Formats: sequence, C-alpha cells, structure tokens
Amino acid sequence: DAMVIQNPRYQVTQFGKPVTLSCSQTLNHNVMYWYQQKSSQAPKLLFHYYDKDFNNEADTPDNFQSRRPNTSFCFLDIRSPGLGDAAMYLCATRGSYNEQFFGPGTRLTVL
Amino acid sequence: KNEVEQSPQNLTAQEGEFITINCSYSVGISALHWLQQHPGGGIVSLFMLSSGKKKHGRLIATINIQEKHSSLHITASHPRDSAVYICAVVSGSRLTFGEGTQLTVNP
Repeated sequence: DAMVIQNPRYQVTQFGKPVTLSCSQTLNHNVMYWYQQKSSQAPKLLFHYYDKDFNNEADTPDNFQSRRPNTSFCFLDIRSPGLGDAAMYLCATRGSYNEQFFGPGTRLTVL
Repeated sequence: KNEVEQSPQNLTAQEGEFITINCSYSVGISALHWLQQHPGGGIVSLFMLSSGKKKHGRLIATINIQEKHSSLHITASHPRDSAVYICAVVSGSRLTFGEGTQLTVNP
C-alpha cells in the first residue's frame, strides 16, 4: 500500500517551461518535505510544511514554489526550469514519532 | 565539517561478508534514521533509532547517544544489498543527511 505517492515518476520539460510535481500521502502526517537530489549527492531540503505553516530554505531558488492545499497533497512548482534543475525530486512526510516516509521520487529532465 | 559524517564513502564486499557502516553526528538529535536508496530509486527507511539497538532480518542498527555515533551492520551480505546507505538525523523539524555510503556486494 503506497503511503507517499509522487506523480509523475518521470517528467520531461523544456527549458523555461513551467512544470508542477505532485505528492500525496495517506498517512495524515502533519509534516511534509520537498527535497532535490542530484546525482551522487545527499538530498537537499527545498521546503517543508508543518500543517499549513510553510518554511522556505534560505538557499531555495525563487524559481521554486510550493503549495499545500490540504493535509494530503503538496505540489512543487518550478516556474522556469533551467538545465541545472534536472534532478530527482523527493517528497517525504514525518509522523508524530519522527517516523519518515519517502515517496519514490520524480526524476525531472530539462531539455 | 558536516553535521553528519559517514564512513566509509564506498565499500565493496564479497557475498556473505559482514558489513559495518558508521555514522557520527555533531548536533543534538531526537532520532536517527538509516535509509537505503537503490540506483535511480526512491529512499526507504530501514530503521529509526533514538537509543539502543534494532534488528530486522540481516540488518542491525545501533546508536550510542553519549558518543553521538551509530552503526549499521549487515550480516551475510548479498548482491541485492548493493545500494547507497544514508544516515540521517532528526534535529528539530529538520532531517540532516550524511553523504551516504555506496555499498557493492559482489557474488
């Protein structure tokens, strides 16, 4: 039973063409995270939500925005993707006892 | 200096060998995770520890809070264990990752 679902699994976009990645969870966790992971690197935190409280990392580019319309869903919007934004994007949740669940990731290719 | 340091960065073993991956951290934590990531894949949480030791099948994880150190052991390693193993600590609302250990188990 998938608990953190990301769609699509693979996304191809063109340079400068906006793209939205989605994440949903069936765990009813308050905390949700978006990470960017480039090849052979540790995941880098972009945003996190505690309920609807939005926390933006200081070094997250302005090009990246996020929405969380309800507990279950979270979106990552990349307004004008550049070649450097090609990466795996991971969504994760955290429960009340610090348990962590990761989605399978969306691999973004920018042409 | 990273807040979470893992060693070794790369590890190659023969099938059946006992494997140890180490993690040291320098911040106060409420929990520590050992994560597994296969090539091109998502991340799976293997263990969450706040004290002591946990065992799941051939995997054992230990943590020493006083020494700020954790180890992941794999007994009777198998080629399907080949993956990146990542130590990550929970500090406040954040999860801070180590750089990962690339494990390759040869048949």
